[in-house]
Amino acid sequence: GENVEQHPSTLSVQEGDSAVIKCTYSDSASNYFPWYKQELGKRPQLIIDIRSNVGEKKDQRIAVTLNKTAKHFSLHITETQPEDSAVYFCAADPYSGNTPLVFGKGTRLSVIA
Amino acid sequence: DGGITQSPKYLFRKEGQNVTLSCEQNLNHDAMYWYRQDPGQGLRLIYYSQIVNDFQKGDIAEGYSVSREKKESFPLTVTSAQKNPTAFYLCASSRTGIGGDEQYFGPGTRLTVT
Repeated sequence: GENVEQHPSTLSVQEGDSAVIKCTYSDSASNYFPWYKQELGKRPQLIIDIRSNVGEKKDQRIAVTLNKTAKHFSLHITETQPEDSAVYFCAADPYSGNTPLVFGKGTRLSVIA
Repeated sequence: DGGITQSPKYLFRKEGQNVTLSCEQNLNHDAMYWYRQDPGQGLRLIYYSQIVNDFQKGDIAEGYSVSREKKESFPLTVTSAQKNPTAFYLCASSRTGIGGDEQYFGPGTRLTVT
């Protein structure tokens, strides 16, 4: 089955700097890679996702890159702000068959003002 | 914050008691999921259901049970057989269960068993 590794587990950056979170996956059939943000005490919410037919996707200050050959994908947050502080989860979904999303263990991002 | 609800937000139980967590969605989604969240452990899948009257075990199903009698509802029972039931429980739903769909999460229920 799919296995998703996420690094780092914690990340502290100065406000305005960039943050990068990396994930690797094991199942080459995985075809959909979402990222969720969970603020303290709140529910996880989708912030960006990418499918295997593209290598990069951007939405304002966040971007996701995908390297299918190496089986890894990354979340990039530029010009970080205090409200970016949260736990971020990556996930992989085979997009075929009936296997649900497999999540990484999360990265706690702290943006220091 | 519409679409998927969980109740109650906080739940306290004595050891040895079964407890049922509620999850309801009005998104007309076919698939529903239950996750357990512990510090540093991410989101671990307990059970999932892709259609009414059908469900499958996830990675940590032992000590839990579910039912899916209605499309809108997917209650989770934490039984006395669950060794460490204290945790934050999240319910989610997606349009289909065949992959590639966003999962929408409920606000969660924090269960404390003493």
